[in-house]
Amino acid sequence: SQTIHQWPATLVQPVGSPLSLECTVEGTSNPNLYWYRQAAGRGLQLLFYSVGIGQISSEVPQNLSASRPQDRQFILSSKKLLLSDSGFYLCAWSPGTEDTIYFGEGSWLTVV
Amino acid sequence: AQSVTQPDIHITVSEGASLELRCNYSYGATPYLFWYVQSPGQGLQLLLKYFSGDTLVQGIKGFEAEFKRSQSSFNLRKPSVHWSDAAEYFCAVGAFSGSARQLTFGSGTQLTVLP
Repeated sequence: SQTIHQWPATLVQPVGSPLSLECTVEGTSNPNLYWYRQAAGRGLQLLFYSVGIGQISSEVPQNLSASRPQDRQFILSSKKLLLSDSGFYLCAWSPGTEDTIYFGEGSWLTVV
Repeated sequence: AQSVTQPDIHITVSEGASLELRCNYSYGATPYLFWYVQSPGQGLQLLLKYFSGDTLVQGIKGFEAEFKRSQSSFNLRKPSVHWSDAAEYFCAVGAFSGSARQLTFGSGTQLTVLP
């Protein structure tokens, strides 16, 4: 069966510091991969999605970036964090031939 | 562009009572509809989905949802709520963007269950 892992689960970072959140999917190949953000008291916002290695689409202009160095690995990064980057970040995946998206456990980011 | 509205921000029910969470969508074609549940500090778990066919779909944990095209609704129901159902519930509509299927989420409904 397929599983998705996301880490770290929690982190506290100072303003201006870099960020790296990592996500890997197991048990499937060539998945579509996604990064969502959930700010406190708000719904989910799609940040990035990828249909293949090196192929990244950005949905929202911001100081975040994403990369897909391997088929089942998706990384969310920032060079300099802002206070407004605080939130709950969710990695997700979907099979290429199915419309259902499956989520990881999420990463809590607090920028101080 | 597609959109989803969950009119109820917070719902409180007693354990054992029935539950209905409302979801209205806007989409120009036949929608793909989903309900997810999120426990505090956790990721989202898929409850059920509608792609086509029977408009009443069954999901996990005793939940069901009915697709009503004429009302642009996809309401979630459960006949008898358990305390463990307390969580936040998200409705979502799926649509293509480029070559990837994406979801547009509603803002969520927080469910509180009273003993």
